[in-house]
Parts: sequence; C-alpha cells; structure tokens
Amino acid sequence: EDQVTQSPEALRLQEGESSSLNCSYTVSGLRGLFWYRQDPGKGPEFLFTLYSAGEEKEKERLKATLTKKESFLHITAPKPEDSATYLCAVQTPNDYKLSFGAGTTVTVRA
Amino acid sequence: DTEVTQTPKHLVMGMTNKKSLKCEQHMGHRAMYWYKQKAKKPPELMFVYSYEKLSINESVPSRFSPECPNSSLLNLHLHALQPEDSALYLCASSQEGTSSTDTQYFGPGTRLTVL
Repeated sequence: EDQVTQSPEALRLQEGESSSLNCSYTVSGLRGLFWYRQDPGKGPEFLFTLYSAGEEKEKERLKATLTKKESFLHITAPKPEDSATYLCAVQTPNDYKLSFGAGTTVTVRA
Repeated sequence: DTEVTQTPKHLVMGMTNKKSLKCEQHMGHRAMYWYKQKAKKPPELMFVYSYEKLSINESVPSRFSPECPNSSLLNLHLHALQPEDSALYLCASSQEGTSSTDTQYFGPGTRLTVL
C-alpha cells in the first residue's frame, strides 16, 4: 500500500532560522510528487511538482528537492508569513489519486 | 490565472435540508474534483469528473450527489446530511484528469456545518 509520511508534525522557527521539512514515500512507482501550502480554513495552494529523482525547484524562500524515497522542502530565512501547514502528495502510475501526507505545521515567530 | 472559485464560503444546514455547493474554473481544465477535509487532516477525495463525466466515486454516501453541468462548473448537492459530515469541502481542477500527471489547483473551500 502506498504511504506518505511527513515529518516533523509541527515546526516552530524564529524569523530567519532556516529549516527543512521531510516527505518520505513508499509507492510502487512515482508519477509525480506535489507540495502545497495550506492556511487555516482555506484551500491548499500549489507550490511545486517534482517528477524525477534529482529534480529541484525554487520559489522565493522555498526550495523543493526529490530523491528516490523522499522529498525535502527547505525554507530559507523564513518570515512570519511563511507560517502555514505544508502538505506533500504523491501520484503513482497505476492510480488517479493524490495520496497526501498528514502535513507539517510551520510557525514562524517574529 | 489558476483560480478556482467556490460558493458559498460558509454553509450551516439542518439534517433535513437540501443545499448545493458550487465550484467554477475558467482555466480550460477538463478534470474537476470534490474533496472533504476534516480539521487537522489531509483532504480526502470524493469524486472526479473527467470531460464532464463522473469517472471516480470514492464510495461516497448517496446523500452527496455531484453534478457537472459543463466543463467549467461543478456542483455538489447535499441532502439529509449527518453532523459528522461537517467539514471543509474543497473543489479542485486539473488540465486533463485521471490518466496523466497534472497539477490539481484547489479552490478556497466551503466550510459546512450540519446541525
């Protein structure tokens, strides 16, 4: 069975304190790995799609990387507005669904 | 523009009411999705429409009835709901649908409370 595990569950950072979130996956094959950001009570906001090991994508203070078994979301010099829950999801070749991890809730203090 | 809109933002209904949630996208996407999200949990897929036809029903109770009037619109009709159906209901769309890897873009959601 496909599994997606995100760690840590919660992350509290001081403004400017860089850190990384982890998404590990056990799937029968990877068609794509997606990162979303979700603010409380709102819909997930798309950040990145990664397709193959070694791929990296960046957007402002965020950088996503992918290996054969996990993905990292690096937050460089975070600001309070980066506080949110970050969701990782995978899609496999034999399945239409997005399998989501439970998310990492990031809180950045000024 | 990657905007998916949903109405209403909030909905409170009794267990005997009938109501509908609406979703709209103008990105030319041919796949649309309904998800249910409970507090502090990830979204759970309910239905997928591909090219205006229902292609996936994740064993959702019949008190939830989806409808896709055209390629831009998606409705979710609600009837005889239970309090445990209270959740954030999310609509999403993607370019092609179930047979390819394409990014799903989510709407802001409708917060549903069933009394």
